[in-house]
Amino acid sequence: KQEVTQIPAALSVPEGENLVLNCSFTDSAIYNLQWFRQDPGKGLTSLLLIQSSQREQTSGRLNASLDKSSGRSTLYIAASQPGDSATYLCAVRPWRSGSARQLTFGSGTQLTVLP
Amino acid sequence: NAGVTQTPKFRVLKTGQSMTLLCAQDMNHEYMYWYRQDPGMGLRLIHYSVGEGTTAKGEVPDGYNVSRLKKQNFLLGLESAAPSQTSVYFCASGHEQYFGPGTRLTVT
Repeated sequence: KQEVTQIPAALSVPEGENLVLNCSFTDSAIYNLQWFRQDPGKGLTSLLLIQSSQREQTSGRLNASLDKSSGRSTLYIAASQPGDSATYLCAVRPWRSGSARQLTFGSGTQLTVLP
Repeated sequence: NAGVTQTPKFRVLKTGQSMTLLCAQDMNHEYMYWYRQDPGMGLRLIHYSVGEGTTAKGEVPDGYNVSRLKKQNFLLGLESAAPSQTSVYFCASGHEQYFGPGTRLTVT
């Protein structure tokens, strides 16, 4: 059974700092990996989706990398801002036949960026 | 274009009561999902649907039923609520998982 782990559970950094959030998964047979952001009391918003054949994806100040063989992904946030404060979750979709290819989520890293 | 909407936003139930949560999407997605989110446990898939008239079990389906009579709507039912079903429930649609705002349910 796929397990997704995100460490640390919480992280606090001063504004302007570059930071890395980590995600590890136990089964490397994945179809893709997705990073989400969740603001308090809100739903999830997709940030980046990396296909299994890709090594990284970039969107603005965000860069996500994928090392399938070692079961790891990182989300790099450049020049962090207080508005980046949120919980970041990663999720993996398995590579197997059948419909839906259900996502398995990590429990998230709660990021606080201090002004 | 409202995306994914959920009703109600909040609900308090007594043990044994029943209720239905409604999810609606206007993006013409085939796939729809129901998740629950509990502290420290991430999101867990309850049920999902790959198209109108179809449903399938996810990771934690016990105590829940679903229906997808129309493509745009996905209903989650609790026939006899239990305190263990206290959670935040999220609906999502599409392969890239567009999420609704959630329903916070408390069962006393």
